Order: sequence, then C-alpha cells, then structure tokens
Amino acid sequence: DIQMTQSPSSLSASVGDRVTLTCRASQNIGTYLNWFQQKPGKAPKLLIYAASSLQSGVPSRFSGSGSGTDFSLTIGSLQPEDFATYYCQQSYTVSKTFGQGTKLDIK
Amino acid sequence: EVQLVESGGGLIQPGGSLRLSCAASGFTVSSTFMSWVRQSPGKGLEWVSLIYSDGSSYYADSVKGRFAISRDNSKNTLYLQMNSLRAEDTAVYYCATYGYIYADVFDIWGQGTMVTVSS
Repeated sequence: DIQMTQSPSSLSASVGDRVTLTCRASQNIGTYLNWFQQKPGKAPKLLIYAASSLQSGVPSRFSGSGSGTDFSLTIGSLQPEDFATYYCQQSYTVSKTFGQGTKLDIK
Repeated sequence: EVQLVESGGGLIQPGGSLRLSCAASGFTVSSTFMSWVRQSPGKGLEWVSLIYSDGSSYYADSVKGRFAISRDNSKNTLYLQMNSLRAEDTAVYYCATYGYIYADVFDIWGQGTMVTVSS
C-alpha cells in the first residue's frame, strides 16, 4: 500500500496567520491527492481534490499544490472556523490511504 | 438533496457479526461508486471498502475475508456486513460516495455510526 505521511502532526497558529501543511506519498501518485477537514464529532469535509482543485463553496483562502510525491495545503489567512484536523488521501490505487492527520489549533 | 444516513452500529462482542446500513437519497446507489471509511476513537481515517457500479468490490487488508460490501437497489441502500469482529474494529463507520461529483474522491459523507467491539 502507498503510505501517506503528513507533517507536522500538530500545529498551533493564530487567527490571520498563513499556514502550510504538507503531505508526502511513498510513491508517485501524480495528482491523485485530496484534502479533507474534520472537526470533532463530525464527518470529514472535502476541501481540495486532484491536488489543487477547490471544492465548490470552500473559501478561496484554501489552496492546494503539488504532484508526484510532495503536496501541500495552504490556508492564506486563518479564520476561527479553520481550527480542525486536516487529512490528505491518495486515490492513485484501489487501496485509498489517508495520512495520519495534522491537528491545527489556536495558539 | 443528496444525503447519506448510516445506521446499525452498536455494542457487539468479539467474534460477533453486525450489518451496517447506509440509506441514500437524492441519487441512485446502484449507479454510483460507494465506500466505507472508518475512524477509531481518537485516531485517523482508514478506508475499509469500495463497490463500483458494476458490482466489483475491494477491501482493505485489515478486513478482507471478514467484511462484505453490498447494496440493495430497491431500497437504495448500501450495506457493510461485518463478521468475526475484533476489538480493533471499534470505530465510527462512515459511508461515502466516491466520484459522485468529482472524480476519484470521497465527495459526500454520511454522519457515521459507532461500532464498539467489546466483551
């Protein structure tokens, strides 16, 4: 199976900060990379698909980039509702693995 | 409105069986790729199973041979039959569409149902 490794595992930041989360695949996955946001007790919410495409309705402060094995999710200016856990996920193979998540909390 | 509602979770003893249901509305399950994803308490997300519209199905190694994904077209419902349950199967189980709106992504999720495997 393809392993997905996210860094950092946790991150403290302030409202208004610009933050970048990273995700690395254990092999080349092209742009078959998606990003999800999850808040406690809620289902994951799709933010970014195909590495850089923004889901409809997601604020433009979210952006994704990368291809091959290295990917990133950037939040341009953190808002209070952005504090959550973020997961990357690869769809290159049938076995669709997730990263372990990055928990973003308020400094 | 497109919606997924899971049910069937609960407390079950190790070695037991349980069937989860995922009732869909606003679209047709039989013509949509569907999946189950789980999340153990305090842990990350783990893909469990996927069924394509042609009926072919795939499983994570951790559940292969014990779990079975299926659907009932007349009820527009997805199922996950879970047998030989283990403590490590304890998790919230989510059903999700795969590629319904956007290709190659879990794009619509249910609210989840909790399964606890314990004696």
